[in-house]
Amino acid sequence: ELKVEQNPLFLSMQEGKNYTIYCNYSTTSDRLYWYRQDPGKSLESLFVLLSNGAVKQEGRLMASLDTKARLSTLHITAAVHDLSATYFCAVDMEYGNKLVFGAGTILRVKS
Amino acid sequence: GAGVSQSPSNKVTEKGKDVELRCDPISGHTALYWYRQRLGQGLEFLIYFQGNSAPDKSGLPSDRFSAERTGESVSTLTIQRTQQEDSAVYLCASSRTGLPRDQYFGPGTRLLVL
Repeated sequence: ELKVEQNPLFLSMQEGKNYTIYCNYSTTSDRLYWYRQDPGKSLESLFVLLSNGAVKQEGRLMASLDTKARLSTLHITAAVHDLSATYFCAVDMEYGNKLVFGAGTILRVKS
Repeated sequence: GAGVSQSPSNKVTEKGKDVELRCDPISGHTALYWYRQRLGQGLEFLIYFQGNSAPDKSGLPSDRFSAERTGESVSTLTIQRTQQEDSAVYLCASSRTGLPRDQYFGPGTRLLVL
């Protein structure tokens, strides 16, 4: 059974600081996704990582995938308040039709 | 264009009652997914429809849960004899390709069972 673990589950950081959210998964997959969810809202797709070594960047967020380590990271550079949200990683099961989600990381950026 | 829509947006019901949740996918999207999100947790897969193929029901937590889809259109998720642990946000997503990476999520239905 595929398990996806995120850490930390809660992150409070100051504006301007850098931090990394980690996503580990338990079985082979080379398809990993990051989503953002604002309170009371649905999920917004941030990054789709489809191969080992994939790196994608959008603004102050950068995501990478290491399929050998079964690890993805979401790096936040010079955080701003607008980044406050819950961030989920999800893994696409091999030969499956569904995504398995991590528990989410609640990010709060303080001014 | 119009995204995935769900109704109702909020539902409060009493334990033991049946509820029906509706999802309208994006036009032309052949694949449709239902997920459940309990408070403070990630999404749990419930069921997947793809065209006329038999649905993947592997995520349904009990026989109280069922879902139907009419062709490539509307889907309804039915929960019979609701229990308090069914309280959650139920999210629907649709995909044109049937690939998880192409999913677009709806706003969800927030279900509270008293």
